[in-house]
Amino acid sequence: DTEVTQTPKHLVMGMTNKKSLKCEQHMGHRAMYWYKQKAKKPPELMFVYSYEKLSINESVPSRFSPECPNSSLLNLHLHALQPEDSALYLCASNSPFGEQFFGPGTRLTVL
Amino acid sequence: GEDVEQSLFLSVREGDSSVINCTYTDSSSTYLYWYKQEPGAGLQLLTYIFSNMDMKQDQRLTVLLNKKDKHLSLRIADTQTGDSAIYFCAELHANTGNQFYFGTGTSLTVIP
Repeated sequence: DTEVTQTPKHLVMGMTNKKSLKCEQHMGHRAMYWYKQKAKKPPELMFVYSYEKLSINESVPSRFSPECPNSSLLNLHLHALQPEDSALYLCASNSPFGEQFFGPGTRLTVL
Repeated sequence: GEDVEQSLFLSVREGDSSVINCTYTDSSSTYLYWYKQEPGAGLQLLTYIFSNMDMKQDQRLTVLLNKKDKHLSLRIADTQTGDSAIYFCAELHANTGNQFYFGTGTSLTVIP
């Protein structure tokens, strides 16, 4: 199973809403990532978890709050977002051999 | 951050070979990758190469790595219309907490 799954596929939220994005992998990978991607641009790294501990936070605003409840799950909690936060949010996980697999992404629209 | 550069656009005729190029600036990368992204989809890992290799072939795909010039290329043989997509190169720096640096992306258009 070389699959990373993400839910929901699409999300529309207002600026006062609280929502969460979910990511799951069952490949035993111990490094998991959140990226933000705008149309036709490369993914921008947001957070890296290594062995369920946050190892990299690329100066992401506090309205994005990551959580890694266990080695298979990664969440991204969203609160008080801005319209410019609308993007494709991608989750990925890394094998010890260097392969990085991406999920299909959540397309987020903030109204 | 790192500068990983790619040409923005490439057009080829169906059946021809495509060559997508990538240049990077940091020689400490451990792995280098090629990803394909179709409209509205996530990133699909096509192939990757360890930094101590020069070449890797996988069916229609050939990756060439020139470490001296910090140049990576992806050759797609017998390009098909289904190969039309954006292609990103990426490098992994294992000594900086497994950070990935993505190239700017090349939009490949295959003309029937």
